[in-house]
Amino acid sequence: AQSVSQHNHHVILSEAASLELGCNYSYGGTVNLFWYVQYPGQHLQLLLKYFSGDPLVKGIKGFEAEFIKSKFSFNLRKPSVQWSDTAEYFCAVTTGAGSYQLTFGKGTKLSVIP
Amino acid sequence: NAGVTQTPKFRVLKTGQSMTLLCAQDMNHEYMYWYRQDPGMGLRLIHYSVGEGTTAKGEVPDGYNVSRLKKQNFLLGLESAAPSQTSVYFCASSKPGLAGIPNTGELFFGEGSRLTVL
Repeated sequence: AQSVSQHNHHVILSEAASLELGCNYSYGGTVNLFWYVQYPGQHLQLLLKYFSGDPLVKGIKGFEAEFIKSKFSFNLRKPSVQWSDTAEYFCAVTTGAGSYQLTFGKGTKLSVIP
Repeated sequence: NAGVTQTPKFRVLKTGQSMTLLCAQDMNHEYMYWYRQDPGMGLRLIHYSVGEGTTAKGEVPDGYNVSRLKKQNFLLGLESAAPSQTSVYFCASSKPGLAGIPNTGELFFGEGSRLTVL
């Protein structure tokens, strides 16, 4: 079964700092990769996704992620964070054809200080 | 468009009591899921359904039952609640994926139901 590791439990940044959140997965076959975000008191929503093609994917609100197959990684980045980016971020993976299960990482809480 | 709606949003139970969480979606999605979210554990899949009348176990199914009698509804039941089931429960739905890929993985979540078992 696949698993997802998020390296940082809690990240604290000042506004305008750059962000990179790590995500690694363990599965040897084809994967679909996602980042979800959960703002305080809200439900999860999709930030961006990768199925195939260009390994650099752009999502909403200026976020992007890069799929590096050789490193089994899908790190999330943003050049300049804002206070409104304070949230918990979850990396998730589903394997190729035949899987109905989306496996989530444990999440990284991001706190942005004004 | 309401999306995914969960009821109730909050509930306090005593150990041994039973209850049912209701999830309703109005997007005509085939797939529905129940996750639980616990601090430091992320989201873990309890049960899921790939269509009306079908259900399957996820990662942490013990102590829960589900039913999908109608396409738009997915019920999660606790027959005898235990303190270990104190959690925030999220329902989600998704549509079938691209040809050859059953699950696009893009889930639409409800706002969560916070359950406390004393």
